[in-house]
Amino acid sequence: NAGVTQTPKFQVLKTGQSMTLQCAQDMNHEYMSWYRQDPGMGLRLIHYSVGAGITDQGEVPNGYNVSRSTTEDFPLRLLSAAPSQTSVYFCASSRDRELGEQYFGPGTRLTVT
Amino acid sequence: SQQGEEDPQALSIQEGENATMNCSYKTSINNLQWYRQNSGRGLVHLILIRSNEREKHSGRLRVTLDTSKKSSSLLITASRAADTASYFCATPSYTNKLIFGTGTLLAVQP
Repeated sequence: NAGVTQTPKFQVLKTGQSMTLQCAQDMNHEYMSWYRQDPGMGLRLIHYSVGAGITDQGEVPNGYNVSRSTTEDFPLRLLSAAPSQTSVYFCASSRDRELGEQYFGPGTRLTVT
Repeated sequence: SQQGEEDPQALSIQEGENATMNCSYKTSINNLQWYRQNSGRGLVHLILIRSNEREKHSGRLRVTLDTSKKSSSLLITASRAADTASYFCATPSYTNKLIFGTGTLLAVQP
């Protein structure tokens, strides 16, 4: 199993540009989530999904959209990038909705200029 | 904020020493997990302690949980240089979202 994969690894955007961060898992996990990690602030939940077709907001959802058309994929869209969205983004998946062990992807480092 | 607070923020020890880090929340904690993050990598799950457990061991890891104090501690015994990493606690919120702590950066000097 590849586990959780994320692309791209690095990305530089100009303010106002849009882009999609890709996340895929091959473990047939129901629960998937997106976090952003900023220095000194740990991980903050952006959006999550408890199964295909179901998504919900986390702590910091503004400026981001998600969709979950399949169990495997959970892309994160930045609608109009802002410098405040400069961060490292992690996708994670979990076997069930009881929030047990989370499997994390390697991360995407995004810089918005 | 529901975010967990961890202390210390940073810890530097010598190889062979024990490392203790603490995690506390303002809201009730349930099924608390600990994760490790090596520099530039994703988080890796270390251990989960359920709310009806007070202590749990896994290899050189010892985790305690005090639900009345809404706190947990992670002890790494006989530390090695390879233990150098950031350590995070996490617990589900009342809305079933996983809330992470701010992290402890551990440096183990060879």
